[in-house]
Amino acid sequence: AQSVTQLGSHVSVSEGALVLLRCNYSSSVPPYLFWYVQYPNQGLQLLLKYTTGATLVKGINGFEAEFKKSETSFHLTKPSAHMSDAAEYFCAVSLPGTGANNLFFGTGTRLTVIP
Amino acid sequence: DAGITQSPRHKVTETGTPVTLRCHQTENHRYMYWYRQDPGHGLRLIHYSYGVKDTDKGEVSDGYSVSRSKTEDFLLTLESATSSQTSVYFCAISNSQETQYFGPGTRLLVL
Repeated sequence: AQSVTQLGSHVSVSEGALVLLRCNYSSSVPPYLFWYVQYPNQGLQLLLKYTTGATLVKGINGFEAEFKKSETSFHLTKPSAHMSDAAEYFCAVSLPGTGANNLFFGTGTRLTVIP
Repeated sequence: DAGITQSPRHKVTETGTPVTLRCHQTENHRYMYWYRQDPGHGLRLIHYSYGVKDTDKGEVSDGYSVSRSKTEDFLLTLESATSSQTSVYFCAISNSQETQYFGPGTRLLVL
């Protein structure tokens, strides 16, 4: 069975500080991993994804994430937070080769950026 | 939103009434999905489709049915709405076993 755990339902950082949002997964096969961002009253927008290859992946808006198989983690980072980063972030996992490639989501982390 | 529209965007209905939500795509993607989003649960898959007239159940399918008669449309029906189905519903599409693209969502309130 597959599952996603996001540690911390709320994270607050000061503007200009490092952003670190944690995601751990469990999966029976090597997964595909995703981070999505949701701004208020909007749908989900893909930030970045890992499928195969380089384990450090870069996404939009200066975010990046590193796939660490030994730690079953895919934490999201950004060196310097901006006010516009305030949103809810979702980590998700899918299992390649399993038909329609259904996504399993974590419960989300709401990021607040303090001026 | 990658050529995905959802209608209606907001709906208020009463317990026991039928409700149909529509997802329409202009991307000609093979796969379509319906999720519900609830606080503390993230997004959970209701039903998905892997082609016209090919659908299957997701994690939280009880009380919901779907239909896909055309590539571009995926309908979600609540046969008899209950208060527990108050939620935000998202449609997603994908054309591979990788990225899903999400629509803007429908807010449903069942009184």
